[in-house]
This record gives sequence, C-alpha cells and structure tokens, in this order.
Amino acid sequence: EAQVTQNPRYLITVTGKKLTVTCSQNMNHEYMSWYRQDPGLGLRQIYYSMNVEVTDKGDVPEGYKVSRKEKRNFPLILESPSPNQTSLYFCASRGSSGEYGELFFGEGSRLTVL
Amino acid sequence: QQQVKQSPQSLIVQKGGISIINCAYENTAFDYFPWYQQFPGKGPALLIAIRPDVSEKKEGRFTISFNKSAKQFSLHIMDSQPGDSATYFCAASSWRQPRWGGSEKLVFGKGTKLTVNP
Repeated sequence: EAQVTQNPRYLITVTGKKLTVTCSQNMNHEYMSWYRQDPGLGLRQIYYSMNVEVTDKGDVPEGYKVSRKEKRNFPLILESPSPNQTSLYFCASRGSSGEYGELFFGEGSRLTVL
Repeated sequence: QQQVKQSPQSLIVQKGGISIINCAYENTAFDYFPWYQQFPGKGPALLIAIRPDVSEKKEGRFTISFNKSAKQFSLHIMDSQPGDSATYFCAASSWRQPRWGGSEKLVFGKGTKLTVNP
C-alpha cells in the first residue's frame, strides 16, 4: 500500500529536549515536505526537499532542521523545542507522474511542548 | 503574509444543498490550484485541482471555477452529503518538476470547516 508514515503520532515533551519526527514514504517520490497545522492558520510549509541532499526553507523554518540522506526518508528535527512549536505536523511526498503530481500526506504527528 | 485567502471559515449546509468555498490569491506566478479535503484525525487528501488555462473543472459532484483575471477560484459541492463534512483547503502552487530544474512554492488557505446536516 502506497503511504507516508510518520512517527511518533503523538508526543509530549519539555522545552529544550531535542526530538526528531521521522517520515518515510514507499512510493519512490522525489519530493518531500513538512507542514505544521495550527487552528485558524491552516497548513504552513516548514521545509521541503526536491531530491536527496536538496532541501530548502518553506514559510516557517525557524526552529526546525531537516535532512534528506535517503530518498524515502525526510526527518524533521527540533533541536531545542519551545512551546510555540506545539502543533500538528504533517509530512507529504509527491512523485513525478504528470506535470503536477498529487501531494500525499501522512496522518500527522501531534506534538506538545511543555 | 497570507498569499491565499479562503472564505468562509466555517459553513453549514443542509443535505442536498450546494456548498461554495472561495479563495483568492495574489501571486500571479501560481499556476496550479488544488483543493484538499481533510477528515478529523487524518492528513489532507487531494480532492480536485485546476490549471489556469481552463475556467472550470468538474469531477462528480465537485467543481472548481477559476477566474484568472480576478485571481479567484472556488469549490462547489453539489448535492452535499453528510459524508462531505470535513475541512477543505484551497492551495496555490508554482511547481516545477526536479528534472526541469526544480522549484516550489505551495501556499494553503486557512481552511473551511464544512458541516452537512442530515
């Protein structure tokens, strides 16, 4: 089954404790991205990657890091989480079928930073 | 800076009615306009999308109307059903495949929570 898998799905942590949210896709997609979803703000892009070792900032990259060492994986790293990073995070991927490929989302990771 | 404005924030429709959600964009470089549907506890999923070279696209009960000169586009859900109750996001994108140099700009609206009453 084609899917984007995120882990953990739920996490409660404390300010300053480094954490990583993993994202893996099994569709051999070149493009992957991270979004955060907050009430009243919709989905905002954090980082994206056009291919292995190619990453770029989205609209809200502050406080986040990413890496793309393998095509299937795109982890989101919070080096020193703060309460304003409490949010619902989505990873997504897109392939090369057609001129504009469909964006496939994971089921989300709900993060709470105390 | 919000580049895609979506309205209304919430919408309540009776079963069988028409649901209409509107979006407006600012950046004329956008050339792909998808709508995503999100059910509670799930990630968004592509519903329907349109390119600016057409003014309307219909897939079943879902229709996108696009007005390039006004920089506006809308989603119409005909014969709305309770199963359509979800949050809908419009988006605007300027996307180039990696094999063509690769660039990306994807901006979402803030979402519309649709409730269809039985």
